[in-house]
Amino acid sequence: GAVVSQHPSWVICKSGTSVKIECRSLDFQATTMFWYRQFPKQSLMLMATSNEGSKATYEQGVEKDKFLINHASLTLSTLTVTSAHPEDSSFYICSAPRPGAGMNTEAFFGQGTRLTVV
Amino acid sequence: DAKTTQPPSMDCAEGRAANLPCNHSTISGNEYVYWYRQIHSQGPQYIIHGLKNNETNEMASLIITEDRKSSTLILPHATLRDTAVYYCIPRNTGNQFYFGTGTSLTVIP
Repeated sequence: GAVVSQHPSWVICKSGTSVKIECRSLDFQATTMFWYRQFPKQSLMLMATSNEGSKATYEQGVEKDKFLINHASLTLSTLTVTSAHPEDSSFYICSAPRPGAGMNTEAFFGQGTRLTVV
Repeated sequence: DAKTTQPPSMDCAEGRAANLPCNHSTISGNEYVYWYRQIHSQGPQYIIHGLKNNETNEMASLIITEDRKSSTLILPHATLRDTAVYYCIPRNTGNQFYFGTGTSLTVIP
């Protein structure tokens, strides 16, 4: 069945560096993907909608210059956390809608990426 | 998108049915009700969704009230592996899912 895969599963980086997280749709194409962030003991918060071939759409309050999203192909979206700081440490999750159907379909979620900034 | 109210936590005995309620009194006519669950440190897993009629699949049953202001997810025979946070999400046209606070279900041996 359709699967969404993220890489890496976890990453530790130094404060001030940038980190790239990949989200791939396996065996299906996704013109749209979604990026979420989840802090401990909190719910998932939608950060942005990644659109293949065009600019991402960011939710209110999310800094587009800090969280760079690129959706260069129909199976890959990347999230780059630029100049990461400890407060960016979080669980980042991507998702893609089930292919081949209309708007009222479920979405598949990746396994998440645990980012720790030290 | 409609707001939801779910109990923060629930317990269920292993082997018994788990009934998870969700209030979505402001749901609009074209919003489906989706249920996802998230096991600790994993991505959310799709369970079931519906518009008006009750739905059943291999994982669960979804009961939606006639006025559509609330719904109940039923796990017929809960196992320890069903321990997770369960999210009820009314979803409008388009593809974004906005997660609420969910219900943390603990299945007790």
